[in-house]
Amino acid sequence: QSVLTQPPSASGTPGQGVTISCSGSSSNVGSNTVNWYQQLPGTAPKLLIYSNNQRPSGVPDRFSASKSGTSASLAISGLQSEDEADYYCAAWDDSGHGVFGGGTKLTVL
Amino acid sequence: QVQLQESGPGLVKPSETLSLTCIVSGGSIGSNYWSWIRQPAGKGLEWIGRDSVSGSTNYNPSLKSRVTMSLDTSKNQFSLELRSVTAADTAVYYCARESGGYYNGRNDYWGQGTLVTVSS
Repeated sequence: QSVLTQPPSASGTPGQGVTISCSGSSSNVGSNTVNWYQQLPGTAPKLLIYSNNQRPSGVPDRFSASKSGTSASLAISGLQSEDEADYYCAAWDDSGHGVFGGGTKLTVL
Repeated sequence: QVQLQESGPGLVKPSETLSLTCIVSGGSIGSNYWSWIRQPAGKGLEWIGRDSVSGSTNYNPSLKSRVTMSLDTSKNQFSLELRSVTAADTAVYYCARESGGYYNGRNDYWGQGTLVTVSS
């Protein structure tokens, strides 16, 4: 059982938008920043969003994220087939331990 | 461009010690935190721990009694030891660099991952 809660699956058609939620607690998401990772099939995770809503260089602006209280969300607009992947949220707890969500498998129909 | 490469045995016997090394190129381990994360087949990511040359180390509480991480600045690499392994420790193990602050770090560079199977 993961510390952060994500829906196991999400889906959308090309061109649509989709949102993935991440729920935590006051000791992790509520008090520290959230990161999002994208894991394409058979590859290592890749940093997608850091510090709640910052995109690393090279990440398309179709990807955006936000945080409110003990929840965070990742939004993907203009879905493309190459967005089909697993998405993980991550945060730190107040003791300095990393915690991940269980991951959301995004299917582009 | 920072690159990380895990190395170590792909097969470990139950009750023995899993030992992995992550070789870092394109950057010095003298700065940043350096992390280990694992992923059982078909499952999600599990944070194992992080270490830095400052001596500040954090381990996943569920693994803390069995885990030791260390850094070798002379070789620019860092290591993971996981003792008394069982089949539940079978996973792909990733090493990663962490950038940012203590409570807002992010893993911005990852190794490709190495599969470790625990079996007799």
